[in-house]
Amino acid sequence: AQSVTQLDSHVSVSEGTPVLLRCNYSSSYSPSLFWYVQHPNKGLQLLLKYTSAATLVKGINGFEAEFKKSETSFHLTKPSAHMSDAAEYFCVANTGGFKTIFGAGTRLFVKA
Amino acid sequence: EPEVTQTPSHQVTQMGQEVILRCVPISNHLYFYWYRQILGQKVEFLVSFYNNEISEKSEIFDDQFSVERPDGSNFTLKIRSTKLEDSAMYFCASSVRASPSSGANVLTFGAGSRLTVL
Repeated sequence: AQSVTQLDSHVSVSEGTPVLLRCNYSSSYSPSLFWYVQHPNKGLQLLLKYTSAATLVKGINGFEAEFKKSETSFHLTKPSAHMSDAAEYFCVANTGGFKTIFGAGTRLFVKA
Repeated sequence: EPEVTQTPSHQVTQMGQEVILRCVPISNHLYFYWYRQILGQKVEFLVSFYNNEISEKSEIFDDQFSVERPDGSNFTLKIRSTKLEDSAMYFCASSVRASPSSGANVLTFGAGSRLTVL
């Protein structure tokens, strides 16, 4: 059975400092992995996706994620946080079926 | 950029009442989904819909739930007799993939409909 674990429920960073949001997955098959962001009262917006091509994936708003099969990880990073990055972030896995599995989410706080 | 739109954004209902949540998927998408997120909990898969029938459903999607695509644009989730524990944010999503086994299934989500059952 596949599962997605986001290791931190909350992450707090200062504006201008790096962001690291951690995600580990468990899957019997090679998964497709995604990061979505949810701003208050907004829908879930796709940040980036990994689909077995390059292991380092670049997304919107300066975010990146690296797929590491040996560590079963897909951590989301950004070199320099901006106030507008404050939101809930979801790591998501799909092994090709209809069911897409969400992690529990990580709320990112950005301090001025 | 194309969007998935959901209505209503917030609905308050009494326990036992029927609720219909509406979604307009992206026009060229073929697959439609409902997810829900109970406050403070994970986003959970409810059901997927393709070619006018349910393609997969979770154990949450019991007989009180139904989905329909009544015309060429709307995709609805009906909850027949709401319970307190149905209070949640319900997300509609759509995707373009013709075959779910042929690669990543990238979902576009709506803003959600918050259901409050009193």
